[in-house]
Formats: sequence, structure tokens, C-alpha cells
Amino acid sequence: AQSVTQLGSHVSVSEGALVLLRCNYSSSVPPYLFWYVQYPNQGLQLLLKYTTGATLVKGINGFEAEFKKSETSFHLTKPSAHMSDAAEYFCAVSGPGGSYIPTFGRGTSLIVHP
Amino acid sequence: EAGVAQSPRYKIIEKRQSVAFWCNPISGHATLYWYQQILGQGPKLLIQFQNNGVVDDSQLPKDRFSAERLKGVDSTLKIQPAKLEDSAVYLCASSSRDRGYGYEQYFGPGTRLTVT
Repeated sequence: AQSVTQLGSHVSVSEGALVLLRCNYSSSVPPYLFWYVQYPNQGLQLLLKYTTGATLVKGINGFEAEFKKSETSFHLTKPSAHMSDAAEYFCAVSGPGGSYIPTFGRGTSLIVHP
Repeated sequence: EAGVAQSPRYKIIEKRQSVAFWCNPISGHATLYWYQQILGQGPKLLIQFQNNGVVDDSQLPKDRFSAERLKGVDSTLKIQPAKLEDSAVYLCASSSRDRGYGYEQYFGPGTRLTVT
């Protein structure tokens, strides 16, 4: 079965600092990987996804993630945090080798300090 | 393009009562999903529809939960009777392809259920 582990339930950064949210996956074959963002009292919105091709994926709002097969990781980064980035972030996996329905991690809450 | 609509946004009921949630997916999306999101956890799939047929309901507690998607458009999720542990946000999502491989899911705002 496929699964994802998000390291750190909370990440706190200062405005303007680098954002790094960690996600490791478990899959027997290269999976499809997603990052979603959830703002308070809202549904999930797709930030970016990796299916095939280029391993560095750029998403909305200045976020990007790199698929590293050797490390089974798909960490989310943003060079400079903005106050509006404060939200819950979910990593998800789907695709070959398991269910085609995304399996979500527990989420990481990003806190941005002024 | 209108997004996924859900109602109500909030619901408070007592245990053993029944409740129903409604979802209207994005027009033309054949696949519809219901997720349960307990506080502090990621969404967990309850049921997936392809048009008006069920594709996967392996994690749906069928003794108390039911769902239907008449005419392959709107969907309702019902809980009867509710338990305290059913307190959660219920998310509806839709996608335009038959399978979820790499295909983006569009989520509604969710219904926050509190069972007292």
C-alpha cells in the first residue's frame, strides 16, 4: 500500500524566510505526488503535482517541489514566506503500485511570523 | 467555472440523530468523492462515484453511512445514527477523468459536523 509521511505537524518561519515542508512517500514504483493547501474553513486546493517528466515541479503562489526517487521524498519549498502562506499543507500519493485514489498525509501547519 | 458546492457549511446535532450533506460537483465532472477529515488529520476517502455508480466504498462505515449520486450529478451523504466520533469536516471533491492518476481533484469548502 502507498503512504506518505509528513515530518513535523507544525513549521514556524519568519516572513521572508525559506519555507521547507517535508514529505516522504512509500511506494513500490514511482508514484504520482501532490501538495495541497487548505486555508481555514476552506477545502483543499492543489498547489502542484508530479506525474512524470521533470522532477522539479513549480506550482502556484511561488511554491515548488522536487521528486527525489533515491530519497523517496517530495519536499515543498518556497524561497520567501509571506503572511498569506499561513495554512495547512497536505502531501498526497497515488498512482501505479497502489490505489489510484490519493492517500493524504496528516498535514503540516505552516505558521508565519511577522 | 463554478466550483464544487456543498451545504450546509456547519451542522450541530446530538448523537443518535441523523444528518445529510449535499454536494454539487463541477459541471461535467464524472468522478465524485466524499472524504472525512478529522481534526488534525488528512482527508480519508469514504466513497468514490463514477457517474452514478460506486467505484470504491471500502472505507465507508456502511452500518451508519450511506451515499448516493442520482443521475450522475449531485450527491448526498447521510449518517444515521450519528456518533460522537463522526465529528469532522466532510469534504466533497470532483474530477474530470475516470481515474485519479495525476488528475486534479477539485474540493468543495466542506461541511463541519459537530456531534454532541
